Amino acid sequence: EADIYQTPRYLVIGTGKKITLECSQTMGHDKMYWYQQDPGMELHLIHYSYGVNSTEKGDLSSESTVSRIRTEHFPLTLESARPSHTSQYLCASSEFTYQETQYFGPGTRLLVL
Amino acid sequence: AQKITQTQPGMFVQEKEAVTLDCTYDTSDQSYGLFWYKQPSSGEMIFLIYQGSYDEQNATEGRYSLNFQKARKSANLVISASQLGDSAMYFCAMREGYGGSQGNLIFGKGTKLSVKP
Repeated sequence: EADIYQTPRYLVIGTGKKITLECSQTMGHDKMYWYQQDPGMELHLIHYSYGVNSTEKGDLSSESTVSRIRTEHFPLTLESARPSHTSQYLCASSEFTYQETQYFGPGTRLLVL
Repeated sequence: AQKITQTQPGMFVQEKEAVTLDCTYDTSDQSYGLFWYKQPSSGEMIFLIYQGSYDEQNATEGRYSLNFQKARKSANLVISASQLGDSAMYFCAMREGYGGSQGNLIFGKGTKLSVKP
């Protein structure tokens, strides 16, 4: 079982603000992911990383950016929040193994007014 | 075309009874992995069970078992002796291949399970 943390859990913010969603894991996993999920809907991959200094875009186009300066930390930034960014954001991590199970953080619920 | 199909948007089950949640997948890869996750109303995704394409035995984890029928490309989740705490969304997911972008998961739309007392 992985220990993976996300802050904040809930965020209400006005349009145009810059926000950073934090994600940290203590398992030493090389691979990390960000998903976007609207209520009751499927998850969509927006960013992932193979390791330090590696970032890739996922299947769903997103205006967010990510960085990976440390193995354990994978923050997501929105430079200018808009109401269309209202969603839940889930962070996950996995090891490079045969199974490569992804373990998820508790999520951040973002509401942009 | 959808790679993961969950045809049951919602299901009801009586407490202590067993329930099967359906999942079919589409891939041309020989090496792939199938996962089930549980998402309670609190929002976190909880890993339940994994089945590899080369695994000959159906996976089991406590009250969860995966009915893997490779020829039919189905990977149904069976929950035995349902409990009220099993009420949640359940997502089936597939990883095609291994490593790199092939290690990424593709999720189905989910099934909302409600357990009745």
